[in-house]
Amino acid sequence: NAGVTQTPKFQVLKTGQSMTLQCAQDMNHEYMSWYRQDPGMGLRLIHYSVGAGITDQGEVPNGYNVSRSTTEDFPLRLLSAAPSQTSVYFCASSYNFDAQGRDYGYTFGSGTRLTVV
Amino acid sequence: GENVEQHPSTLSVQEGDSAVIKCTYSDSASNYFPWYKQELGKRPQLIIDIRSNVGEKKDQRIAVTLNKTAKHFSLHITETQPEDSAVYFCAVHSGGYQKVTFGTGTKLQVIP
Repeated sequence: NAGVTQTPKFQVLKTGQSMTLQCAQDMNHEYMSWYRQDPGMGLRLIHYSVGAGITDQGEVPNGYNVSRSTTEDFPLRLLSAAPSQTSVYFCASSYNFDAQGRDYGYTFGSGTRLTVV
Repeated sequence: GENVEQHPSTLSVQEGDSAVIKCTYSDSASNYFPWYKQELGKRPQLIIDIRSNVGEKKDQRIAVTLNKTAKHFSLHITETQPEDSAVYFCAVHSGGYQKVTFGTGTKLQVIP
């Protein structure tokens, strides 16, 4: 059971380049999300998904796209990188809320440190 | 939307003392309140959580208390150890799993 796996761990992009951050989980979690973490800003939600084929925007979605074709994978695409997207990106997954008491705290991936120059 | 305030932003305690971090929220419909610990350069990790129908939950040296009337919840760490040094984030789930708001974090330093 690997949990949540993110790749790559580090990436340097030039302004205008595109790339995809990969996220995979093997816990059969329905819910997956992407956060960015900037100093003094805490964790801000970019996009999330409550199941395969369903995605929605979070607090800071501009410049990013996502898709959820399988339960396991939730890639994040940067369309045209900008210096303002320099950040640490975390993927997180959990069960959907279950009134019967199933735990739905997040499991985070190890993060991707992205620098846009 | 939900407004979550976390205090203090930094906290220094002597080893063996207790530490308390508090978060306040605005949405009375909020129903789930987890706490995460993030060590330097690492991922956030869930350390304890509480649901809105429970007032207190303990796990060894850590505990979380919830006051729904006052709309605040607190993380309590007793007998602090140097390995407790980290940034702690609270989070609030309201209106369903997709509406999650994080606090801005508390940097805890435990001085040996």
